[in-house]
Amino acid sequence: GDSVTQMEGPVTLSEEAFLTINCTYTATGYPSLFWYVQYPGEGLQLLLKATKADDKGSNKGFEATYRKETTSFHLEKGSVQVSDSAVYFCALIMMNRDDKIIFGKGTRLHILP
Amino acid sequence: DTAVSQTPKYLVTQMGNDKSIKCEQNLGHDTMYWYKQDSKKFLKIMFSYNNKELIINETVPNRFSPKSPDKAHLNLHINSLELGDSAVYFCASSRRGLNEKLFFGSGTQLSVL
Repeated sequence: GDSVTQMEGPVTLSEEAFLTINCTYTATGYPSLFWYVQYPGEGLQLLLKATKADDKGSNKGFEATYRKETTSFHLEKGSVQVSDSAVYFCALIMMNRDDKIIFGKGTRLHILP
Repeated sequence: DTAVSQTPKYLVTQMGNDKSIKCEQNLGHDTMYWYKQDSKKFLKIMFSYNNKELIINETVPNRFSPKSPDKAHLNLHINSLELGDSAVYFCASSRRGLNEKLFFGSGTQLSVL
């Protein structure tokens, strides 16, 4: 079945470091891809999304490009801040099939000052 | 072994009916949640229980009532179902509150006819 695989972490970086969190997917078809973020003490928020191949989603300095050839949607940020410390979930939805979100297991990110 | 399991996976029912969705976690977590995936594919928290005690209750119609018989179970009961209740509902758990990573069930797709 459809699935999402992401590095589980925890990932620990210093402030202003470059961030990559890898995410790959398996799907029979062309899913829409999402990154959700869970800040400490809060519920999930949508961070960014891409709905077709080569689309780039971006928000708050984070970017991810939908790569059909490598079935990937890696999350990147050029210079992380302490406030980026959170858990990041990669997810996919097969639109017009059952529309149910399929999550990766989440990656905890710690940013040190 | 599924860590967070919710049943049923799919639920089709008539308007006006009362239905329940069950959730169980075998992770030994203290906190459990219900999220709703809305029409824009965003996730919104509905309820959270910590050790059988309600700690988050977002603006949700009174027709929705969570019940936690023990800390491993959080069921969602919905009275007088309406067309607008059609959505995917996700159960989740965390070790202790929203400072810990969420673990998600696979979702229940509710269709109200």
